Amino acid sequence: GAGVSQSPSNKVTEKGKDVELRCDPISGHTALYWYRQSLGQGLEFLIYFQGNSAPDKSGLPSDRFSAERTGGSVSTLTIQRTQQEDSAVYLCASSVLAVDRDTQYFGPGTRLTVL
Amino acid sequence: AQSVSQHNHHVILSEAASLELGCNYSYGGTVNLFWYVQYPGQHLQLLLKYFSGDPLVKGIKGFEAEFIKSKFSFNLRKPSVQWSDTAEYFCAVNKKRFGAGTRLTVKP
Repeated sequence: GAGVSQSPSNKVTEKGKDVELRCDPISGHTALYWYRQSLGQGLEFLIYFQGNSAPDKSGLPSDRFSAERTGGSVSTLTIQRTQQEDSAVYLCASSVLAVDRDTQYFGPGTRLTVL
Repeated sequence: AQSVSQHNHHVILSEAASLELGCNYSYGGTVNLFWYVQYPGQHLQLLLKYFSGDPLVKGIKGFEAEFIKSKFSFNLRKPSVQWSDTAEYFCAVNKKRFGAGTRLTVKP
């Protein structure tokens, strides 16, 4: 079946503008993760949705970042008043079960450039 | 605080050489350990994972990793690398802490 998809693949925006990044997980996957990867850095955990439970937002770097997951499927990561340091590749992953042991499947990422 | 260290930033090997990539972590609780690989132009994918039991775990494409609790390490190994193993490798703890990655270049 189809894998995790993300859109847009590339986004260039001006400092101060808001952006929305979208993730379509694999159908039936209950867990969805957002990460970001800055140049030369590893993945930085942002937020984790686990079925119907409250999301784990412990990785969000500031209140400019928020995410939602509608209907247990598609997720949107919103960054308000973007800053240059927000430039990174934003990755989404999903897994069947909301347990750490379950295999994650990653999307291709959205490359965000803030000018 | 949790952290993951991958000390090798870039490793260059010839085909058939043996590989060992280091991963050390700092975390006081239960750890679930992962190695991921990202081939050029492809998505990040799981190589192998450890949760409990036999500390030597085998993954795809001939890779294996050994969990040494006393050393807080989970090093990745492969006895004989191929040109197709050229990729970036990431170690992770509990899906929330990732190392900075090690870029492996295998010369044909």
